[in-house]
Amino acid sequence: QKEVEQNSGPLSVPEGAIASLNCTYSDRGSQSFFWYRQYSGKSPELIMSIYSNGDKEDGRFTAQLNKASQYVSLLIRDSQPSDSATYLCAVNGDDTDKLIFGTGTRLQVFP
Amino acid sequence: DTGVSQNPRHKITKRGQNVTFRCDPISEHNRLYWYRQTLGQGPEFLTYFQNEAQLEKSRLLSDRFSAERPKGSFSTLEIQRTEQGDSAMYLCASRLSGLAEETQYFGPGTRLLVL
Repeated sequence: QKEVEQNSGPLSVPEGAIASLNCTYSDRGSQSFFWYRQYSGKSPELIMSIYSNGDKEDGRFTAQLNKASQYVSLLIRDSQPSDSATYLCAVNGDDTDKLIFGTGTRLQVFP
Repeated sequence: DTGVSQNPRHKITKRGQNVTFRCDPISEHNRLYWYRQTLGQGPEFLTYFQNEAQLEKSRLLSDRFSAERPKGSFSTLEIQRTEQGDSAMYLCASRLSGLAEETQYFGPGTRLLVL
């Protein structure tokens, strides 16, 4: 059973701080990794995709991938109250096009 | 692009009834996916299509569930003889294969409540 693990939280950070979200996955053959943000009652929206080891930055967001450790993370700099949501880690295996999601980490950014 | 659209947005039905949901993918996207999400969980894969061909179906998917994409454009997901455990958000996503970017784009979802 291929799995994606996330701490469910909530992760509470003050406005302006860095929020660090972590995810581990079980399938060593996984090639594609995604972070989605989901507001309550809404559908997931893409924050970042990453395919190779290292860091990928997009504005206030940085995704980090370490395939040897089977670990992917998302850093949110200068966190805003509007960043308060559930962040879903999703992984795509090398033998399938389906996404396997973690249960999500709930982030709360307080003023 | 107008994005992925799903209809209806909400559906309330009684146990034992059949329901059908529709998904219209982003124009030109040849791959279309169905997921189901329950409260506190991440989306769970159900099935996906490339054009009109159904390429993969979850082994956990009951025979009461069937999906079609007859002309390779919109797709329908039917649930027969609904059960209370079918209550969930049903999400559709699409993407264009063959690109380096493999992101799946999600629609707004159809929220099903089975009484």
